[in-house]
Amino acid sequence: AQSVSQHNHHVILSEAASLELGCNYSYGGTVNLFWYVQYPGQHLQLLLKYFSGDPLVKGIKGFEAEFIKSKFSFNLRKPSVQWSDTAEYFCAVNRAGTYKYIFGTGTRLKVLA
Amino acid sequence: GAGVSQSPSNKVTEKGKDVELRCDPISGHTALYWYRQSLGQGLEFLIYFQGNSAPDKSGLPSDRFSAERTGGSVSTLTIQRTQQEDSAVYLCASSLAKDPGYEQYFGPGTRLTVT
Repeated sequence: AQSVSQHNHHVILSEAASLELGCNYSYGGTVNLFWYVQYPGQHLQLLLKYFSGDPLVKGIKGFEAEFIKSKFSFNLRKPSVQWSDTAEYFCAVNRAGTYKYIFGTGTRLKVLA
Repeated sequence: GAGVSQSPSNKVTEKGKDVELRCDPISGHTALYWYRQSLGQGLEFLIYFQGNSAPDKSGLPSDRFSAERTGGSVSTLTIQRTQQEDSAVYLCASSLAKDPGYEQYFGPGTRLTVT
């Protein structure tokens, strides 16, 4: 069965620190990849997505993610986090041509001011 | 414009009772998704609607779960004879179409507690 792993469940950083959240998936075919974010008290919203082309994708608020096909990974990065980045982050995978999305268990990020 | 809305926001029910959860998607969105988020778990895909039809219901956890969508708009997720393991946040999302290029917009969720 397809699965998505987010190995960091809780991350605490100080402001200005760099961030990298891991995401690995198990499906070997063509995939579409997503990162969603849920700020406290808000709905889940799309941060960035990858379908094809440049494996380095840029999203909102200075976030970026790199698709490494050989490693089945789609890690999320931000060079310098802010207190307002405190949120829960979810990685999701969609097998190309299907409508089913597999989400990871999420990573709770806390940024200390 | 209005986003995806869900009602109720919170529901506490006794084990064995039936519950109905409602989702109002964004107007014009043909694709609608239901997910379940249990404590410490990721989002579990339940069912997808394209228009009023659900091509795949295999994500529903058991035959106690059913969903329908009418008029290509509102969707209802029904859980019969609720069990404690059904306690979770139920999320609905809609998008313009089923293609991944169309962003899924999520609602606030319904937190279901079965006592």
